[in-house]
Amino acid sequence: KAGVTQTPRYLIKTRGQQVTLSCSPISGHRSVSWYQQTPGQGLQFLFEYFSETQRNKGNFPGRFSGRQFSNSRSEMNVSTLELGDSALYLCASTSGTRGNTDTQYFGPGTRLTVL
Amino acid sequence: AQSVTQPDIHITVSEGASLELRCNYSYGATPYLFWYVQSPGQGLQLLLKYFSGDTLVQGIKGFEAEFKRSQSSFNLRKPSVHWSDAAEYFCAVGASGGSYIPTFGRGTSLIVHP
Repeated sequence: KAGVTQTPRYLIKTRGQQVTLSCSPISGHRSVSWYQQTPGQGLQFLFEYFSETQRNKGNFPGRFSGRQFSNSRSEMNVSTLELGDSALYLCASTSGTRGNTDTQYFGPGTRLTVL
Repeated sequence: AQSVTQPDIHITVSEGASLELRCNYSYGATPYLFWYVQSPGQGLQLLLKYFSGDTLVQGIKGFEAEFKRSQSSFNLRKPSVHWSDAAEYFCAVGASGGSYIPTFGRGTSLIVHP
């Protein structure tokens, strides 16, 4: 089956702009999580969506938001971009059951550069 | 608040040697524990996880990890390393129960010598 897809793969924006990233989970998966990876802060959890509802949120400012659609596809939005938002943004999908058999699959990421 | 420490920034092993990557966590209750691997060609991949049950967890690519509550550790092991195992390895801890927010360690870079 098809893996997790993220679009776009690369993005260059300037400070103050906003950006929307998209993630399509594996078919049948209902949970999508987003992560930010930077050299300085490492991997950090942004939020998780399950069945169109935000189930958990990490410690990020309100400029970072997301949503999930009825087909489980998810988008995240960052408004008023700052230089520090330059990062690799990863999304992952799972069935959402959090059981021992629930496996998490990651997309290739979107590399965002803010100039 | 939960936290994860990976004491080793870099680990160098010879191909065919055994491997143990250390992970210590801080969390008040029984945690969810994870190991991930990230390599340029494969992206980020979940190796294994512990939610409950048997404290020795088997993962993909021949890896295993053991949850030791008394030591607050979740070390990753592999009996014989292959050159393709060279990558960055991340340990993560998540709160059990309703609020599931994983915290990641800073990673251990594994270098494999032929």
